[in-house]
Amino acid sequence: GALVYQYPRRTICKSGTSMRMECQAVGFQATSVAWYRQSPQKTFELIALSTVNSAIKYEQNFTQEKFPISHPNLSFSSMTVLNAYLEDRGLYLCGARDWGGAEQFFGPGTRLTVL
Amino acid sequence: GQQVQQSPASLVLQEGENAELQCNFSTSLNSMQWFYQRPGGSLVSLFYNPSGTKQSGRLTSTTVIKERRSSLHISSSQTTDSGTYLCAMEPGGSNAKLTFGKGTKLSVKS
Repeated sequence: GALVYQYPRRTICKSGTSMRMECQAVGFQATSVAWYRQSPQKTFELIALSTVNSAIKYEQNFTQEKFPISHPNLSFSSMTVLNAYLEDRGLYLCGARDWGGAEQFFGPGTRLTVL
Repeated sequence: GQQVQQSPASLVLQEGENAELQCNFSTSLNSMQWFYQRPGGSLVSLFYNPSGTKQSGRLTSTTVIKERRSSLHISSSQTTDSGTYLCAMEPGGSNAKLTFGKGTKLSVKS
């Protein structure tokens, strides 16, 4: 079956430092990978979308300078939160979509706490 | 504006009662998914339902594209159904970009 792994599951970093998180699709080749953030008391916001054969597209309020993403192949993506501050805390989810499908499969998320 | 309106924001039921959760969307639709969010935050996919009706056990999802709405029906609710339910739509032409509703927090009491 289609599975999405995320690592780490939880992380704590000091304010102003950076933190890298990873996402891996297992059992399928992801045609797109999307990173979302759920901040406390909020719903999920799309950070950026990466699709096969196209550049990574960031949503309004999110930039490559702050959330650089590496998507070297169809199965693996990593995102870094640079200079993390309190407003960056939350649950970061990675969603991937298979060839020929529209359903997105999500990983368990990386929960970021900023001290 | 908000593309997905999810209601109710919260719902309290007695065990055995039915629940009806709604999502209304303001744009054309490529796909619609319903999720259950575990207390730890991870999402459990309940339905991928771009149109029509799908059933899985006590859960039924119905999406009516021309009316721009989707619903999740839980029959004979159980205390273990408690938690947050989220709908997410992929707007037409958006290519894999999901827009989430704000969620319904369901509490089922024994």
